[in-house]
Amino acid sequence: ETGVTQTPRHLVMGMTNKKSLKCEQHLGHNAMYWYKQSAKKPLELMFVYSLEERVENNSVPSRFSPECPNSSHLFLHLHTLQPEDSALYLCASSQDSGTNYNEQFFGPGTRLTVL
Amino acid sequence: ILNVEQSPQSLHVQEGDSTNFTCSFPSSNFYALHWYRWETAKSPEALFVMTLNGDEKKKGRISATLNTKEGYSYLYIKGSQPEDSATYLCAPPGGATNKLIFGTGTLLAVQP
Repeated sequence: ETGVTQTPRHLVMGMTNKKSLKCEQHLGHNAMYWYKQSAKKPLELMFVYSLEERVENNSVPSRFSPECPNSSHLFLHLHTLQPEDSALYLCASSQDSGTNYNEQFFGPGTRLTVL
Repeated sequence: ILNVEQSPQSLHVQEGDSTNFTCSFPSSNFYALHWYRWETAKSPEALFVMTLNGDEKKKGRISATLNTKEGYSYLYIKGSQPEDSATYLCAPPGGATNKLIFGTGTLLAVQP
């Protein structure tokens, strides 16, 4: 596997379910991100992890819970979601050198539908 | 909240046409500007990271310029091809390290 991978690619869940999205990067980066893409809205940053520590939480509801066990893996745990949470969830990684100059590498995304 | 505007929202051109799009952003506290290309059913892919006023970068038929004093960047595509069809996103950092604020993008469709 190369680059950034995400599983599952598609997920349908009910509002009472608990599920997790997984992201893995094979690029040796030290920063990972979760983004949300809703219809007709810009890519919206949710969480940033740098050196396995959360450095950004963009006012995301607590029904989304991120976890970064090591620099290669990032999870997004989902529970009691709402239908409006249906969206494309993208993971990305980059090398954090203390600047904004490093490009981010994106995974293919998980298309989430909440019924 | 950082306001990033991209125009036009969508663009339809014929194969061989040259085209350009605009990204506008607040010019204060500028750090860098990222351009990404997002093809349908694929992942966003970085095109350029621009940091200096007057920067001009080029990758094949695609080039970009940056004006940090007035807060805009242009992306140019010379001789558009159908494979250039994608959404082009710009993203200035939102102040803090690693935090990018994406615009809504320009959707380009190139007709053969």
